[in-house]
Order: sequence, then C-alpha cells, then structure tokens
Amino acid sequence: NAGVTQTPKFRILKIGQSMTLQCTQDMNHNYMYWYRQDPGMGLKLIYYSVGAGITDKGEVPNGYNVSRSTTEDFPLRLELAAPSQTSVYFCASSSSRASYFGPGTRLTVT
Amino acid sequence: EDQVTQSPEALRLQEGESSSLNCSYTVSGLRGLFWYRQDPGKGPEFLFTLYSAGEEKEKERLKATLTKKESFLHITAPKPEDSATYLCAVQAGTGNQFYFGTGTSLTVIP
Repeated sequence: NAGVTQTPKFRILKIGQSMTLQCTQDMNHNYMYWYRQDPGMGLKLIYYSVGAGITDKGEVPNGYNVSRSTTEDFPLRLELAAPSQTSVYFCASSSSRASYFGPGTRLTVT
Repeated sequence: EDQVTQSPEALRLQEGESSSLNCSYTVSGLRGLFWYRQDPGKGPEFLFTLYSAGEEKEKERLKATLTKKESFLHITAPKPEDSATYLCAVQAGTGNQFYFGTGTSLTVIP
C-alpha cells in the first residue's frame, strides 16, 4: 500500500525555469492538496482539488498551477521559478477523517 | 480570520517526564481537529482526529483531548523516539481546507 507518492525528492532549478512536481495516491480519495512548508511558517496551502476536473486556490497560489485529470494524480506546475519558491512541497490526500501526506519534494531555486 | 496557534514552540523533556502540548483555535464551525507527527525530512504522519468538545483519543503514550477552544496532546512517560515536531490542524465551516499551526518541536533526552 503506497499511500501518497511524490517525485522528485530533490530538485534544483535556475530562476525562470519551469517544472512539474508529481503526486499520486492509491487510496481513492477525492480530496487532494498541495502545501509548501517553510522554516517556522507551518504548512501553507497552495491549491486543492475535491475531485477529478475540479481545483481551487489555497492561501498561496501565485506562481503555481495544477490540474486533476484523474482521481489518482494531482501534479503541481511551477512556471518561471523564483527564489521565493524555494521550499519543501508536500502533497496530501484526505478522507473525512484524516489527511495523508507524501514524503515531500525539496526544491531550491537559484 | 481563522487561526491555529500551537504552544510551546519547542519543548525539551527528560525521558519519563510527562507534559502537554497545546493547540488553540479560533474558527467558526469546527468540523475536526487533527494531530500529526512530523520527523525531520519527512511528511506529516496522521495521529488523531477529534470532532467535538469532550472527545479524547489515545495511542500508546499519546492522548489527545478537545475543548471548545483548544486541544491538548498529552505525552505520558515519553521516550527519545517520541522526539519530533507535532502539528495540529483544523477543518472548519463548509470549506475543504485544513489550517495548520506552526508546530511544537519536542525533544526527549535519554
């Protein structure tokens, strides 16, 4: 039972480059989320989805885009990377009782 | 504005020294309060969900309680392996978002 998987685990980007962070869950959850975690700042919600084809903005969506074509996958797209996007990114899926997190992607933009 | 505040920010305990972590919240229409454990370099791991004031949940040395304004995570006779950051989150109103506190970093000294 894999739960929530994320790729890559680490990535270094140059300013202005783009990339996609992958997230897959095998628990058949409708709800999926992308968070970023910065030191001392807690988890901030970037985007979330309540089901295939439905996405919505969270607290800090600027500079990111998402899509949800299947229940399992919820990729996060970074366009024109900026140093402010240096962070650890977590994908999560949830039932009504709990959220389950992936292992995270550590992204550095230089 | 909905807020989740955790205290203390950091806590150092001797092995066997029991204590409590606090999570206070100011939200309308609480639907659930969630506790997570996060080890360095990993994603948060689900511990408990509490839904209504007076509810309690236990798991090994951990016990979570909930009142109308706060939740406590009680740690009884902690061991070094309990060292981690403990996060709480709330889900409120009709939304689908989870709001996270910034966490309590617990260190248990042998």
